[in-house]
Amino acid sequence: DAGVTQSPTHLIKTRGQQVTLRCSPKSGHDTVSWYQQALGQGPQFIFQYYEEEERQRGNFPDRFSGHQFPNYSSELNVNALLLGDSALYLCASLPGLAGGLNYNEQFFGPGTRLTVL
Amino acid sequence: KNEVEQSPQNLTAQEGEFITINCSYSVGISALHWLQQHPGGGIVSLFMLSSGKKKHGRLIATINIQEKHSSLHITASHPRDSAVYICAVRSSSGYALNFGKGTSLLVTP
Repeated sequence: DAGVTQSPTHLIKTRGQQVTLRCSPKSGHDTVSWYQQALGQGPQFIFQYYEEEERQRGNFPDRFSGHQFPNYSSELNVNALLLGDSALYLCASLPGLAGGLNYNEQFFGPGTRLTVL
Repeated sequence: KNEVEQSPQNLTAQEGEFITINCSYSVGISALHWLQQHPGGGIVSLFMLSSGKKKHGRLIATINIQEKHSSLHITASHPRDSAVYICAVRSSSGYALNFGKGTSLLVTP
């Protein structure tokens, strides 16, 4: 089991560009959450996808959008990049309600470090 | 004010010491997580708990739901325990994890 995988590992963009980050959940997991972690801070919730729908969204602007595919993998898109978008972007998967008592347990990917110049 | 507060922010200990990291939260929760993050970013889930106490090796996590407080204890600390330890809660009304800012632990030989 490969666990949660994310690509790319590192990315450098310039202000105004657009970026797409990808996440493959752990086998058996159907729910994906995305988090942004600025340097020295705890992760901040961006949104969660379940059954290809955005189920909950954090306090992030519409420049941040996402998608979940039928195989449960997910993408995070950020448009019109700002310097402040530089951060580690983490994806976490969980088994959802099908996981029974473990449905809260989240498994994190290694993250994508985005630098905006 | 963050819904999740951790203390201390930074902690230095000598190898072998008993370590306690505290987490307080202000909302009703369905679960509390303790996570470990090493330099480079990867986050590993240590514990998920909603009541009582859990133990795994030298790590012990406790939670007091009435007081909205949890502690992570490390017994016989070792330099390889050096990492950032993060407390996160899932509120009882949503799906998101709300994270504390983390406690940076350094264990010296």
